[in-house]
Amino acid sequence: AQSVSQHNHHVILSEAASLELGCNYSYGGTVNLFWYVQYPGQHLQLLLKYFSGDPLVKGIKGFEAEFIKSKFSFNLRKPSVQWSDTAEYFCAVNANTDKLIFGTGTRLQVFP
Amino acid sequence: DAGVIQSPRHEVTEMGQEVTLRCKPISGHDYLFWYRQTMMRGLELLIYFNNNVPIDDSGMPEDRFSAKMPNASFSTLKIQPSEPRDSAVYFCASSSLSGSNEQFFGPGTRLTVL
Repeated sequence: AQSVSQHNHHVILSEAASLELGCNYSYGGTVNLFWYVQYPGQHLQLLLKYFSGDPLVKGIKGFEAEFIKSKFSFNLRKPSVQWSDTAEYFCAVNANTDKLIFGTGTRLQVFP
Repeated sequence: DAGVIQSPRHEVTEMGQEVTLRCKPISGHDYLFWYRQTMMRGLELLIYFNNNVPIDDSGMPEDRFSAKMPNASFSTLKIQPSEPRDSAVYFCASSSLSGSNEQFFGPGTRLTVL
């Protein structure tokens, strides 16, 4: 069965620190990949997505993610986090179905 | 576009009562998804529709849960009878062209069953 793993459950950083959140999936074929963000008390919003082409994808608010097919990974990065990035981050994968498979999420806390 | 609209935003009810959650997808979107989010289980897909037809309800926890989509602009998720363990945030999402496309989420309904 398809699955998505987010190994970092809770990340605590100071402002200006660099961020990398891991995402691995289990599916050998073509995939569409997504990162969603959920700010406290709000709904999920799309940060970025990868369908094909350049494996380095740039999203909103300075986030980017790199698709490494050989590692089945789609890690999220940001060079310098801000307090306003405090949120929960979800990786999601679509693999030739109508459904997105979501990871369990990573809670990011950024302290000033 | 107003985005995905859900109502009510908050619902507090007593165990045994019927609860109906409502969703209006983005106009033109032909996929609609219902999710449940809890601290313990994370984000779970309950059921999804394509062109108003239920395609996969394997995530519906039990017979107390039912969902309908009578037309392209409206869907309901009903819990009857409700139980305290149903307390969660319920999200509706919609997408166009394909379920593999980006899903747009509504603001959610926070359900508390006492």
